[in-house]
Parts: sequence; structure tokens; C-alpha cells
Amino acid sequence: DAKTTQPNSMESNEEEPVHLPCNHSTISGTDYIHWYRQLPSQGPEYVIHGLTSNVNNRMASLAIAEDRKSSTLILHRATLRDAAVYYCILRSQGGFKTIFGAGTRLFVKA
Amino acid sequence: DTEVTQTPKHLVMGMTNKKSLKCEQHMGHRAMYWYKQKAKKPPELMFVYSYEKLSINESVPSRFSPECPNSSLLNLHLHALQPEDSALYLCASSRYIQAGGEKLFFGSGTQLSVL
Repeated sequence: DAKTTQPNSMESNEEEPVHLPCNHSTISGTDYIHWYRQLPSQGPEYVIHGLTSNVNNRMASLAIAEDRKSSTLILHRATLRDAAVYYCILRSQGGFKTIFGAGTRLFVKA
Repeated sequence: DTEVTQTPKHLVMGMTNKKSLKCEQHMGHRAMYWYKQKAKKPPELMFVYSYEKLSINESVPSRFSPECPNSSLLNLHLHALQPEDSALYLCASSRYIQAGGEKLFFGSGTQLSVL
């Protein structure tokens, strides 16, 4: 199964954009890139996903490198409620497993 | 209804007890998952069910016994657990198992303490 690598932690100021990177150099052509976040005492929550093209939704944007070996989750204006652990994971079209990497703990300062 | 409901939210059990965790979804999802999460660690996959059949068992000890009685319900039966089994147990579902573009929906978990 393809793995992802993320920084252990990042810090942001409130109201500023945040760019959370993820490396997935062993990604295969059928792997989708998913992002989830986990707030304290809760289960992971879906944020966004994509295959090849950049994606936007109400929560965030996902920028995927042309070679697909890396991606970046963009929170356009961080709020205190965005403080969480963000997980970048790969889900394959033909596979069964969804394996979480270590994730990035995002701290947001007021 | 886009929720995955897990009960109980908290459970304390002794090493000789038998207990069960329950997970329910009414989104028509045909894939359901159990994950185990230790404090400050990512979730670890335990079991995957597809169309009520066990598809993946990640070499989980037999003291954990999953069951999927119907497409909406997933149980995890616990027996003779060890203190190191104390963790947050997360249930998740998705429309299908073999579809990388399908989102995972997670419950809020059961916090298990084994004494």
C-alpha cells in the first residue's frame, strides 16, 4: 500500500491561509488522495479528495502536483476551530485498505 | 442522515468481561470498517466488511470478534481483553469498498478502558 509523509506539526495565525503538505511518492495511477481531519475527542472528518486535478469545496482546496507525488491542502483562512490533526491518505480504486499516516497537528494562534 | 452512530461512547471493562461495541449507519453504505486508535497515534485498520462479508482482517487477535448482521449494523465483540487494548475504537463506512473516490464517514468512537 502506498504511504504518505506529512510534517508532524504546523502553526498558523488565525485568519491567515495554511498550506499543509503531503508527500506520496509511491502513489499509483488509480490512487485517490484524501484528506481528513480529527478534532479532539472526535472521529476523523472528511475534508476533501481528488485524483489528478485541483479541487475546491466549502472547507478547503486541494492542490495536486502534476506528477501526483505530492499534494497540498489549503485552508484559506484558518480559524481556531481548524486546530486539529490533518491526515493525508491514499485510497485505491481496486484496493480494500485505507491506511492512515502519522498526520500533521495544526496549531492555530489567535 | 449522514451519520455513523457508535455506542457506547465510553466503556470500562475488566479482563474477564465480555462486551460489545455497536456501530450503525443508514446511508445505504455497503462497506464498513473498524479502526483502533491509541492516544496521539493515527487510526489503525482492524477489519473491513463489504456487503456484510469480512474482507480484511489485519491480523487482529481473536479476542476481538467482528460481526455484521445486516448492511446497517456492525458489531465488535470483546472478550478477555488486555490493558494494552485500551484505546478509541472507531467505526467508519463508505458506499463501496473498491472505489477510491468514495468518502469515509466516521463515528465519534468508543473510548475503551480495560482494567
